[in-house]
Amino acid sequence: EDKVVQSPLSLVVHEGDTVTLNCSYEVTNFRSLLWYKQEKKAPTFLFMLTSSGIEKKSGRLSSILDKKELFSILNITATQTGDSAIYLCAVIQGAQKLVFGQGTRLTINP
Amino acid sequence: NAGVTQTPKFRVLKTGQSMTLLCAQDMNHEYMYWYRQDPGMGLRLIHYSVGEGTTAKGEVPDGYNVSRLKKQNFLLGLESAAPSQTSVYFCATRKDTYSYNEQFFGPGTRLTVL
Repeated sequence: EDKVVQSPLSLVVHEGDTVTLNCSYEVTNFRSLLWYKQEKKAPTFLFMLTSSGIEKKSGRLSSILDKKELFSILNITATQTGDSAIYLCAVIQGAQKLVFGQGTRLTINP
Repeated sequence: NAGVTQTPKFRVLKTGQSMTLLCAQDMNHEYMYWYRQDPGMGLRLIHYSVGEGTTAKGEVPDGYNVSRLKKQNFLLGLESAAPSQTSVYFCATRKDTYSYNEQFFGPGTRLTVL
């Protein structure tokens, strides 16, 4: 059965801390892995990772994929209260479908 | 250019009632998806469509039907609502097979079934 597993499910840290979110997958016909940020409403796209070992960066966020060990991590440095959200990992399976993980609920306390 | 819109935003149903959720997009995207999101479950695919007139089952299709009579609209129907269908429903669209990162989400519909 295809699955995407995220850990931890919930994380509470203080502003300024660095966090690492994990996503492991077992999906047939893997194409790419996506990270989304979801605040109060719809998920918004962060990164797409297709190749192993190539880091994607956007400001304080970065992500990398390991296709041999079947996982990805999302790092957030110098966290701010605005980073509080649910972070979703999804794997593109074949040409058409995405398989989502359960999400990690990140809370940044001031 | 509204992107992806969903109607209604909120709805409360009684068990056994029926309703239709509408997803509309003005981006001329081929692919459209319906997901449901429950606490601790992430997003689960209900049904999807790869073009006008086509539909396919996703991970959790039971109790739902869909139609894509026009390219810009994707309808999700509940024929006889059950409390287990209480959830937040998201529609999403994608341009085509190669636009992996361009899956745009609608704002969601919060449905409660009593």
